[in-house]
Amino acid sequence: ETGVTQTPRHLVMGMTNKKSLKCEQHLGHNAMYWYKQSAKKPLELMFVYSLEERVENNSVPSRFSPECPNSSHLFLHLHTLQPEDSALYLCASSFLGPAGYEQYFGPGTRLTVT
Amino acid sequence: TQLLEQSPQFLSIQEGENLTVYCNSSSVFSSLQWYRQEPGEGPVLLVTVVTGGEVKKLKRLTFQFGDARKDSSLHITAAQPGDTGLYLCAGSGGGADGLTFGKGTHLIIQP
Repeated sequence: ETGVTQTPRHLVMGMTNKKSLKCEQHLGHNAMYWYKQSAKKPLELMFVYSLEERVENNSVPSRFSPECPNSSHLFLHLHTLQPEDSALYLCASSFLGPAGYEQYFGPGTRLTVT
Repeated sequence: TQLLEQSPQFLSIQEGENLTVYCNSSSVFSSLQWYRQEPGEGPVLLVTVVTGGEVKKLKRLTFQFGDARKDSSLHITAAQPGDTGLYLCAGSGGGADGLTFGKGTHLIIQP
């Protein structure tokens, strides 16, 4: 595997379900991000992990819970979601250094909440 | 709050024509990235500009960063159907900051 991978690519869940999204980066980066992409809105930053510590959560509802066990893996745990949470969820990674601003994205998970 | 305004939001032109997409903000960014996104996929990084006034070329694509590092443009020469996609600009404040994205420009190149 190369780059940033995400699983599953598609997910349909009911409002009472619990599911998790997984992201893995194979680039040797030390920062990882979750973004939400909805129709007609800009990509929205949800969470940032730098060196496995969360540094920003941008007032995301508590029904979204991130986990970063090591610098290569990132999870987004979902529970009691609402239909308006249906969106493309994108994971990204970057290397923090003097030029640490280029983020590389995975293919995303298309989430539908019914 | 930093905002990035992209224009136009939609653009449909014929193959062979030239086009320019704009990305503007009232905020200063330490760097600005341009991405291209296909339906159902994640954004793919095209270029990063860092220095005010910087110009970078990628084949038929020319990217420019404004002198004040608040705006950027993407110019495509002799557009081809393979250029079709969603073009996104994104600004970075540096470090572990997440990116601030514009809404994107939906570009369609008709054969």
